[in-house]
Amino acid sequence: DAGVTQSPTHLIKTRGQQVTLRCSPKSGHDTVSWYQQALGQGPQFIFQYYEEEERQRGNFPDRFSGHQFPNYSSELNVNALLLGDSALYLCASSQTTGVVYGYTFGSGTRLTVV
Amino acid sequence: AQRVTQPEKLLSVFKGAPVELKCNYSYSGSPELFWYVQYSRQRLQLLLRHISRESIKGFTADLNKGETSFHLKKPFAQEEDSAMYYCALSGEAQTGGFKTIFGAGTRLFVKA
Repeated sequence: DAGVTQSPTHLIKTRGQQVTLRCSPKSGHDTVSWYQQALGQGPQFIFQYYEEEERQRGNFPDRFSGHQFPNYSSELNVNALLLGDSALYLCASSQTTGVVYGYTFGSGTRLTVV
Repeated sequence: AQRVTQPEKLLSVFKGAPVELKCNYSYSGSPELFWYVQYSRQRLQLLLRHISRESIKGFTADLNKGETSFHLKKPFAQEEDSAMYYCALSGEAQTGGFKTIFGAGTRLFVKA
């Protein structure tokens, strides 16, 4: 089992552009959560997807959107990129009852906005 | 509102010394508490869950609901324990599902 896989590993974009990050959850997991981790900070919750719907959302603007596919994989889209969007984006998967089991994390996508 | 506070950004101890990484939380319901660890050049991984009452790599954590704390402890630190440690809280939401929030993390450095 490859665990949680994320692509790409690194990305450089220009301010104002749009970006799509991808995540494949661990086998057997059906829930995907996305986090933004700025340098020196803990992961900040963006949103969570289950059954192809956004179930929970953190304090992020609508420029951040996502999608979950029938095979449970997920995408994170960010429009109109700002310099402040530069961060490590983490994908975490869990089972539906993950509230007690915790997450399995991917290694992240490092996004740099210039 | 949910909040997790890790008051120390950096904790430095000598090998063999006891270590305690502090975590305080704020949550109106009954949360699930976790500790995650990130070793150098590795991904973030679950270390332990309070519900399991387990000891992982010699680490334990006790949930103190009165003090709303979930401190991580180890009686004898090892050099390989040097890593970034994050306390996390999961709570079920009114709209269904759950949300996990993380503290800012504490970097543990174990000196030889």
